[in-house]
Amino acid sequence: KNQVEQSPQSLIILEGKNCTLQCNYTVSPFSNLRWYKQDTGRGPVSLTIMTFSENTKSNGRYTATLDADTKQSSLHITASQLSDSASYICVVSAAGGGNKLTFGTGTQLKVEL
Amino acid sequence: SAVISQKPSRDICQRGTSLTIQCQVDSQVTMMFWYRQQPGQSLTLIATANQGSEATYESGFVIDKFPISRPNLTFSTLTVSNMSPEDSSIYLCSVEDAVKLYGYTFGSGTRLTVV
Repeated sequence: KNQVEQSPQSLIILEGKNCTLQCNYTVSPFSNLRWYKQDTGRGPVSLTIMTFSENTKSNGRYTATLDADTKQSSLHITASQLSDSASYICVVSAAGGGNKLTFGTGTQLKVEL
Repeated sequence: SAVISQKPSRDICQRGTSLTIQCQVDSQVTMMFWYRQQPGQSLTLIATANQGSEATYESGFVIDKFPISRPNLTFSTLTVSNMSPEDSSIYLCSVEDAVKLYGYTFGSGTRLTVV
């Protein structure tokens, strides 16, 4: 069964600090992995997308890594801001066409002063 | 990337009633997807809506409970029928963005509370 597990479940950090969120998956055959940011009461917004051949991708202060061998990904947030407070969702797509997305349950990040 | 307008953003409904959620996309898309996100849970695909044909439902979801319309390539509706408190969730529509390879764009979601 395809699964995506994220850790930690929740995280509180001080503004300006860095943090790293983890994603482990068992989706096969693997096509690509996405990180989304979901603000409370809003729909998810794409941060990064990585295919099998990519092992790192950045989007501003967000940097995602992918190790397809160990089936792990991380999302590193640099110099956090209050607006980074949100749920971060790891989504893995299986190959084979159509919508074959498996969603993680997300990491709830809170950035405090 | 595609822009999706989803309405309503939230609603509080009495049990036994129905609610229709609308999604309008600013470009033509082949497939639209409807998701449910229960409190503290990940997104679960309800169905895939194709224009001109019946929606394809995932295991555990049936057309009588979640009828879907897809009258054209830019619009779709999801109805939550005969609601019970267990239907309280966030409902989201999504499209695959033709501009960004493998990208999916989501609507802003409808937060439904059934009392």
